[in-house]
Amino acid sequence: AQKVTQAQTEISVVEKEDVTLDCVYETRDTTYYLFWYKQPPSGELVFLIRRNSFDEQNEISGRYSWNFQKSTSSFNFTITASQVVDSAVYFCALSESGAGSYQLTFGKGTKLSVIP
Amino acid sequence: GAGVSQSPSNKVTEKGKDVELRCDPISGHTALYWYRQSLGQGLEFLIYFQGNSAPDKSGLPSDRFSAERTGGSVSTLTIQRTQQEDSAVYLCASSSELGYEQYFGPGTRLTVT
Repeated sequence: AQKVTQAQTEISVVEKEDVTLDCVYETRDTTYYLFWYKQPPSGELVFLIRRNSFDEQNEISGRYSWNFQKSTSSFNFTITASQVVDSAVYFCALSESGAGSYQLTFGKGTKLSVIP
Repeated sequence: GAGVSQSPSNKVTEKGKDVELRCDPISGHTALYWYRQSLGQGLEFLIYFQGNSAPDKSGLPSDRFSAERTGGSVSTLTIQRTQQEDSAVYLCASSSELGYEQYFGPGTRLTVT
C-alpha cells in the first residue's frame, strides 16, 4: 500500500533563511506521481508541483526547488530566502497508476512558520 | 478561469440529521474527487468520479456516505444520520486527466453538534 511520511511536524525559521521540507514515500508501482501542495491559513489547498516517477530531474521555480531521488524514495522541497508569506502547512502527496482513480495519498503535513 | 467551487462554506447540523454538500468542478475536468480533512485523520480520500465510469467508493467510511455526479459536472456528497465524528472539512478536487494535478475547492466545514 502507498504511504507518504513527512517526519517534520512543525518548523520555524527566521525570514530569509533557507528551509527544506522532507518527504519520503512508499509504493509498489513503477508508475506514480508526486505532488506538493500548500495550505495557507485561509485553508485552500494550492497546487505547487507534480513529478512523474520517470523524471528525476530536479526543478526550480523562483525561490522554490524540489529534489526527487528514487534511490531514497524522497521528494524534498526547499524554499530559499524564506518570506513571511511562505508560512503555511505543506503537504506531500502520491498517486499511483495501480489505484485506478489516481487518488492522492497525503502525508500529515509540515507546518512552516516564518518569523519576521 | 473559474476554479472549483463548493457550497455551503460552513454547515452546522444536529446529530442524526442528513446533510448535502455540493461541488462544482473546473469546466472540462472529467475527474472529480472528494476528500475529508480532520485533525485526527489528516487528508483522506473518499470517492472518485471519472466520466461515465462507475465511481470508486473505496474511501467512503460508512454506508451513511454517498455521492453522485450529475451530467458529468456537479457533484453532491450526502451524509445521512450525521455523527459527531463526521465533523471535518470536506474538500472537492477536479483534474483534467488521471494522474494530473488536482485542483481543490475551498471546502465545506461541517460541524455536527
